[in-house]
Amino acid sequence: EAQVTQNPRYLITVTGKKLTVTCSQNMNHEYMSWYRQDPGLGLRQIYYSMNVEVTDKGDVPEGYKVSRKEKRNFPLILESPSPNQTSLYFCASSLAPGQGASMNTEAFFGQGTRLTVV
Amino acid sequence: AQSVTQPDIHITVSEGASLELRCNYSYGATPYLFWYVQSPGQGLQLLLKYFSGDTLVQGIKGFEAEFKRSQSSFNLRKPSVHWSDAAEYFCAVGAGDMRFGAGTRLTVKP
Repeated sequence: EAQVTQNPRYLITVTGKKLTVTCSQNMNHEYMSWYRQDPGLGLRQIYYSMNVEVTDKGDVPEGYKVSRKEKRNFPLILESPSPNQTSLYFCASSLAPGQGASMNTEAFFGQGTRLTVV
Repeated sequence: AQSVTQPDIHITVSEGASLELRCNYSYGATPYLFWYVQSPGQGLQLLLKYFSGDTLVQGIKGFEAEFKRSQSSFNLRKPSVHWSDAAEYFCAVGAGDMRFGAGTRLTVKP
């Protein structure tokens, strides 16, 4: 089954304790992204990656790191979490325009990770 | 830079009434446009998408959207709303590097 898998689904942590949220996709997608969702603000892009070893900042990258060592995995790293990073996080993957035989570039989303930093 | 505006934060309609959710975008070329729906506590589900061709696109659950280049709009419509349509709706633009609007929360009155 084609899917994007995030882990963990729920996480409560303390300020300053490094954490990693994993994301894996099995669709051979070139693009992967991380978003955070906050009430009234919609989904804001944190980082995205167009390919292995190619990443770029989105709209709200401060306090986050990512890596793309393999095509299928795109972990989100919070080196020193703070309470303002309490949020619902989504990982997404998609084909790049022109990739494959289709023009389908819609994003496929993971189920989300609800993070609370106390 | 690409961006999306959803002017309506919250809309209430009666069950059986028609619905239109507004979306305006800013994009440098022919846009890839999407509408997603998120039910409470759930992830995001794709309703429909537009890349090119016919400017009126049909989606799942009886939704449709019309792309109007002159107005930079991609409004979502449904002729008759059901109580199960109550959710948050997001318009998005971009291919790979996708940007979302702030969302419109839909409440359906019995």
